[in-house]
Amino acid sequence: GQQLNQSPQSMFIQEGEDVSMNCTSSSIFNTWLWYKQDPGEGPVLLIALYKAGELTSNGRLTAQFGITRKDSFLNISASIPSDVGIYFCAGPTFSGTYKYIFGTGTRLKVLA
Amino acid sequence: NAGVTQTPKFQVLKTGQSMTLQCAQDMNHEYMSWYRQDPGMGLRLIHYSVGAGITDQGEVPNGYNVSRSTTEDFPLRLLSAAPSQTSVYFCASSYQTGPNTGELFFGEGSRLTVL
Repeated sequence: GQQLNQSPQSMFIQEGEDVSMNCTSSSIFNTWLWYKQDPGEGPVLLIALYKAGELTSNGRLTAQFGITRKDSFLNISASIPSDVGIYFCAGPTFSGTYKYIFGTGTRLKVLA
Repeated sequence: NAGVTQTPKFQVLKTGQSMTLQCAQDMNHEYMSWYRQDPGMGLRLIHYSVGAGITDQGEVPNGYNVSRSTTEDFPLRLLSAAPSQTSVYFCASSYQTGPNTGELFFGEGSRLTVL
């Protein structure tokens, strides 16, 4: 089935550094969603992208919808300790009906 | 507004036992789904539903059954639990799905251990 591949799998960064992660697919997506999961909780939506080439910000977070429609990128500027968590990309795929699939996640750890 | 409610939050089962994970949403969402989360595996789709009376299989449906008799509820049944089903289970819902779909709302998760 379709897969969303995220990289890197995990990263340790110093507080204040910028972070970049990406998500790639073997097929085209019309929507890209970025979620964050804090320990012991369910994922929460950070940013939604609906148009190829779109660049959308949410505070220190910026996400881009790749022009090929097969990838998306998430950047976090000036990281802080509360950015710790797992970041997932997700999108709807069609196989008779639409369903959401998720990437494998990028685990972020911020060193104070 | 409760959102997506999952019960129980924690459960320990013995191999071969059956149980049902409950999921309810009060947002009148058409789309509901179940995921399991294992270390390093991300969120894998088990079953989903695009409306009452309609269910379909996701990526990892074996060993699980679902039904959708009402818009609000989407229970996940384990008929004969196996240790491989030890995982954290998330229920999620959305107003609708489509090529330009919207936010998927998650419950807090149900942590299941099968001995």
